[in-house]
Amino acid sequence: KQEVTQIPAALSVPEGENLVLNCSFTDSAIYNLQWFRQDPGKGLTSLLLIQSSQREQTSGRLNASLDKSSGRSTLYIAASQPGDSATYLCAVSGTGTASKLTFGTGTRLQVTL
Amino acid sequence: NAGVMQNPRHLVRRRGQEARLRCSPMKGHSHVYWYRQLPEEGLKFMVYLQKENIIDESGMPKERFSAEFPKEGPSILRIQQVVRGDSAAYFCASSPRGTSGGMQYFGPGTRLTVT
Repeated sequence: KQEVTQIPAALSVPEGENLVLNCSFTDSAIYNLQWFRQDPGKGLTSLLLIQSSQREQTSGRLNASLDKSSGRSTLYIAASQPGDSATYLCAVSGTGTASKLTFGTGTRLQVTL
Repeated sequence: NAGVMQNPRHLVRRRGQEARLRCSPMKGHSHVYWYRQLPEEGLKFMVYLQKENIIDESGMPKERFSAEFPKEGPSILRIQQVVRGDSAAYFCASSPRGTSGGMQYFGPGTRLTVT
């Protein structure tokens, strides 16, 4: 059974700092990995998707890496801003029923002025 | 291009009533997924549907819950005889393709409160 863990559970950083969020998964047989952000009381916004054959994806100030063999992914946020404050979720899609996403419990990020 | 739409956004039901949650996927998407987020817990997969077919319902409680995605119209998640433990946020996602692992796009969710 796939399990996804995110560390840290919560993080507070001053504006402008670069930061790294971690995601680990127990079964390396994944199809892809997605990073999302969730604002309080809102839905999920998809940030990046990395296919299992890829090592990283970049979008603006965000960079996600994937090391499938070790079961790890990181989300790097450069030059953080208060608007980045949200909960960040990673989710993996297995190769069995490839469409089913297994989510981590998230990292709650607060970027302070 | 409108995103995934869910309605209602908030739903209050008394114990024993039925709850119907609707999801309209993005245009061109024929794969729909339902997830549930219980208070202080992560999102859990419930069911995956294509038009007129349930592909994977391994996350769906065996009783009281059902889902459909008819040929015409939105996908419906139905909860019969709701109990307080059903109070949660229910999210729908869609993708243009399923088993090839396409990106899933999520709706804003329906927050169900059972009183």
